[in-house]
This record gives sequence, structure tokens and C-alpha cells, in this order.
Amino acid sequence: NAGVMQNPRHLVRRRGQEARLRCSPMKGHSHVYWYRQLPEEGLKFMVYLQKENIIDESGMPKERFSAEFPKEGPSILRIQQVVRGDSAAYFCASSNPNEKLFFGSGTQLSVL
Amino acid sequence: RKEVEQDPGPFNVPEGATVAFNCTYSNSASQSFFWYRQDCRKEPKLLMSVYSSGNEDGRFTAQLNRASQYISLLIRDSKLSDSATYLCVVNDKGTASKLTFGTGTRLQVTL
Repeated sequence: NAGVMQNPRHLVRRRGQEARLRCSPMKGHSHVYWYRQLPEEGLKFMVYLQKENIIDESGMPKERFSAEFPKEGPSILRIQQVVRGDSAAYFCASSNPNEKLFFGSGTQLSVL
Repeated sequence: RKEVEQDPGPFNVPEGATVAFNCTYSNSASQSFFWYRQDCRKEPKLLMSVYSSGNEDGRFTAQLNRASQYISLLIRDSKLSDSATYLCVVNDKGTASKLTFGTGTRLQVTL
């Protein structure tokens, strides 16, 4: 019973490039959440999605960031034109409605 | 003021010691409360939920004081393997849609 799978584990990008982070929820889970952890800070909520729907994106930066959870395939967090300040650990979590969250191992994004 | 505030520590304690962490939250409408554990930048893992009546899981006891908006975690008989960062987490809604994390309290248990 695989848990929440995130890939890649580590991603290195140069300033101005695009970063795509993938998250496959735990089997049977219909809800996906993305959180970001900057160095020496707590996890910050970014976005909450169900299949083909964004439920809450109040934590997403207004520009360059987007997320999707298509009917088929993993959830994708996309960061366009990355800057050094985007360097962080990005954690995905999944759940069923009103149930506890399970987190993936995260993607460490480093922007050079 | 931060939504969830914790003393960052570190707390350095010897094996076998009892240690207590505190946390305060700012939103009086918060509905659910948790302690998570995070090891060395790995994913956070749920340690326990926190209820007003207090709850215990082995060596761990959690307590919630809604009037003071205060959450605590007590670890008895500390083990080396308890060394980690402990995250106080609050959910403002009835669902697990948007957890608000504290920055964590680091615990180092030594021989």
C-alpha cells in the first residue's frame, strides 16, 4: 500500500527556468494539498485540490505558481521563471474528506 | 502575531528526562489541534491529536486549553529516538483542508 509519492526528491533549476513537482496521492485518496517549507520556517499551506478542481488556493503566490490535479495522473505544482526565493522543500499531502493527512517525502527545490 | 507560536528551542535533555512543549494559537475559532513530528527536513508525521479532555499515547500526553488558546505536549522518559522537531498544528475548519503549522520546537535527547 504505497503512501504519498512525490518526485523528484531533489530538483535543481537555474533562475528563470520552470519547475514541475509531481505528487501521486495515497491510493483511494481524493484530496491533495501542497505545502512549502522555507529554510528555518514552518510549513505553509499553498493549495488544496480535488480531482479537476481547486478548492482553496489562498496560500499560492499570485504569480508564477499554479497547481492542477487532473482526472488521470498525479497532481502537479508548477513554478514558472523560478527565483532564488523559491528554493524550499515542497510537501504534498493527501486525504479523504474529513480524514487525517498523509504527507509525501517532499521535493527539495534548489534554484541556482 | 503568528497564527501558531512555539518556542523554537532547542531543548537539550538527557535520556529519561521529562520535557514539555507549549504552543499558543491566535484564532479562537480553531477547531482541530495536532502535534506532528518532523525529522531532519523529512515529511511531518502525525504524532497525536489534541483534545480538551487531554489525551495520552504511551509516553506522550497532549493537552488543550481553549480558554487560553494554549496547547501542550509532555514527553516522559525521553529516548534518543525522540530527538526531532515537534510541530504544533491547528486546523481552522472542520475538515483537514488547511493546516496551520507552527515553526516547531527542536528536541535533542542526549546520553
